[in-house]
Amino acid sequence: EAQVTQNPRYLITVTGKKLTVTCSQNMNHEYMSWYRQDPGLGLRQIYYSMNVEVTDKGDVPEGYKVSRKEKRNFPLILESPSPNQTSLYFCASTERTGTSYEQYFGPGTRLTVT
Amino acid sequence: QKEVEQNSGPLSVPEGAIASLNCTYSDRGSQSFFWYRQYSGKSPELIMFIYSNGDKEDGRFTAQLNKASQYVSLLIRDSQPSDSATYLCAVRATNKLIFGTGTLLAVQP
Repeated sequence: EAQVTQNPRYLITVTGKKLTVTCSQNMNHEYMSWYRQDPGLGLRQIYYSMNVEVTDKGDVPEGYKVSRKEKRNFPLILESPSPNQTSLYFCASTERTGTSYEQYFGPGTRLTVT
Repeated sequence: QKEVEQNSGPLSVPEGAIASLNCTYSDRGSQSFFWYRQYSGKSPELIMFIYSNGDKEDGRFTAQLNKASQYVSLLIRDSQPSDSATYLCAVRATNKLIFGTGTLLAVQP
């Protein structure tokens, strides 16, 4: 079964305490990405990765880091979280083959930074 | 001007009717266009992908793309209460995906 997993699903933390949200896919997709979803602002892309060791900034990368050391994993790192990073985060895995397009989102991680 | 614009709704349609959801985008270099369905509290689910002008049909869903007018739409035929959700339009330019804020669809039994 095609699957994108994220952990943790819920996290409450304090300002400045480093955290990592993990993302893993089992479909051997090359393209992975992170989004945050906020009311009234919709989904915004934070970072994306075209393949192992290839990452690039999306629209809202400030305050976030990513790495892609293995094809299946794409962790999101908040080195010093701030309250404005309180949001719902989604990881997604994508593959385009010819005229078809396959994309799966993880279940989401709800982060609260106090 | 937002890069991808959608009417937030709610769009209310009776069961069995055609729901028409619209999206406009600003980047003429956009290459691929997507529609997602997102139920409340759930993650988005890709339902349609279109990259060339014209219509693309998949079951009860039809995506329509008009690049000259920078307009993409989603038609849902024979709408069901289970179609009630937020529908997100997204546009891909280069390697980035830009989303609209979504249209809430409510199908009334």
